[in-house]
Amino acid sequence: QKEVEQNSGPLSVPEGAIASLNCTYSDRGSQSFFWYRQYSGKSPELIMFIYSNGDKEDGRFTAQLNKASQYVSLLIRDSQPSDSATYLCAVYAGNNRKLIWGLGTSLAVNP
Amino acid sequence: DGGITQSPKYLFRKEGQNVTLSCEQNLNHDAMYWYRQDPGQGLRLIYYSQIVNDFQKGDIAEGYSVSREKKESFPLTVTSAQKNPTAFYLCATETTGTGNLPRYFGPGTRLTVT
Repeated sequence: QKEVEQNSGPLSVPEGAIASLNCTYSDRGSQSFFWYRQYSGKSPELIMFIYSNGDKEDGRFTAQLNKASQYVSLLIRDSQPSDSATYLCAVYAGNNRKLIWGLGTSLAVNP
Repeated sequence: DGGITQSPKYLFRKEGQNVTLSCEQNLNHDAMYWYRQDPGQGLRLIYYSQIVNDFQKGDIAEGYSVSREKKESFPLTVTSAQKNPTAFYLCATETTGTGNLPRYFGPGTRLTVT
C-alpha cells in the first residue's frame, strides 16, 4: 500500500460543477495535510492546509479531513477552466517527520 | 517583492559535467528543501536544511551536494555521479524547520543532461 494515494484521473467536470478530489494515507499518526495545485510545466502552489478533523473553507475551496477513515478531500465549487491542473496531496507523518507526496490527480474543467 | 527565485529556468549540460542550481529566498524562512520531480513519480526529497550551516540528506541524496552558508541561499550541485540527472528541480521553503507547516515552492529549474 502506498503511503499517500490519489486517483491519477483524469477527472473531468463541466464548468460550474463541484470537483471532488480524494487522498488516502496509511500512517495513522499523520498530523498535517496539504493540497497543492500544479499547472503543467510549473511548480506546485499551496492551496489549502488542514490539521483538524472536519471542513476548512477558503473561497471556492473546501478541505475535508477524516482521520478515522484516513482520508482528506478537496472540493472545488463552481469549477472554472482555469482550475484545470494536477492537484497534489501531501501528508506530514509525525512519527518519521517526513512529508509524503501523492502522485497527483489531473483535473480537467470543460467549458 | 518577497519570494523564492531559482535560476536558471532551463539548463542544459553534457554528461560528466557538474552543475549548480541556484535557490534564493527573501521570505526569512528558516528551512529550505530541494526536490526533484520526474514524470509519473511523486516529488522526491534530495536535501533539506533547517538552519544555516546545517543540512540533512533526503531520500535520494546520492550524486548531489548542497551548502547553506546564508539563510537566504541553498544551492544544489548535481554531480557527474548522479545517474539520471535530467529532471525538474524544485526548491521550497518552510517558515520553521518543524516539517508540519506548508512549504512554498520556487518556479523550478528544468535540467537536461545529454
